[in-house]
Amino acid sequence: QQQVKQSPQSLIVQKGGISIINCAYENTAFDYFPWYQQFPGKGPALLIAIRPDVSEKKEGRFTISFNKSAKQFSLHIMDSQPGDSATYFCAATSGTYKYIFGTGTRLKVLA
Amino acid sequence: GAGVSQSPSNKVTEKGKDVELRCDPISGHTALYWYRQSLGQGLEFLIYFQGNSAPDKSGLPSDRFSAERTGGSVSTLTIQRTQQEDSAVYLCASSLSSGGAREQFFGPGTRLTVL
Repeated sequence: QQQVKQSPQSLIVQKGGISIINCAYENTAFDYFPWYQQFPGKGPALLIAIRPDVSEKKEGRFTISFNKSAKQFSLHIMDSQPGDSATYFCAATSGTYKYIFGTGTRLKVLA
Repeated sequence: GAGVSQSPSNKVTEKGKDVELRCDPISGHTALYWYRQSLGQGLEFLIYFQGNSAPDKSGLPSDRFSAERTGGSVSTLTIQRTQQEDSAVYLCASSLSSGGAREQFFGPGTRLTVL
C-alpha cells in the first residue's frame, strides 16, 4: 500500500511532442505529490508538485494532472525539448518526512 | 547559498572494506535524509535525521549500515564490510524541517562501486 507505481520505464519523444508519465498509488492518506527531475550525475531536483485538492497544476511547459478517485497522477511535458531529456520520478507523502518514490522514467527527446 | 554537497563523488572499494560517505546539508536545514539509488530502481529511503537524532532508521538494509549527524549539520553514512550488492548511488537530501510540504533538496550523490 506504500508503493507508487510509475510508467513507462522509458520514453522516447520527438522534439515538440508531448511527454506523458503516469503514476498510481494506493494509500489514500497521501496528500502531497511532487515530481523530481534528475540529469545524469546530478541529484534529483523538484520540478513541480500538487496537492489533491486541485485536479491540475501548470508551470510553464510542465503540467500535473491529478485524479483523486482513480488514485492516479501524471506529468505532461508540452513542446518537449532535447534539454528535457532526463529521468523523472514521481513521489508521494502523507504529510510526513517519508517520501515514497516511483521507480523513475528515463525520457529521451530526439532533436 | 550552496546546495547540498556530498563527498566523495565516486568511491571504488574492495569487498569487505569499510567506507564512509559524507553529506553537507544546506545551512539551516534541520532535516536530513539518506537514500540509495540502484540501477533502474527508484530512490530507496535509508534514514532520516531531525537535528542530530535519527527517529527513523527503518530503511537501513542491515546492521553493516550506520549513520550519524553531528552539530545538526554534517552527516556520515558508514558501510562496514562492504558487499557487491552495496554498489549504488547514495543520495543525501535536506529540508528546512520534516513534513510533506517541505521540499527536499538533493546532493549530487556518491557512486559506490564494490569490487
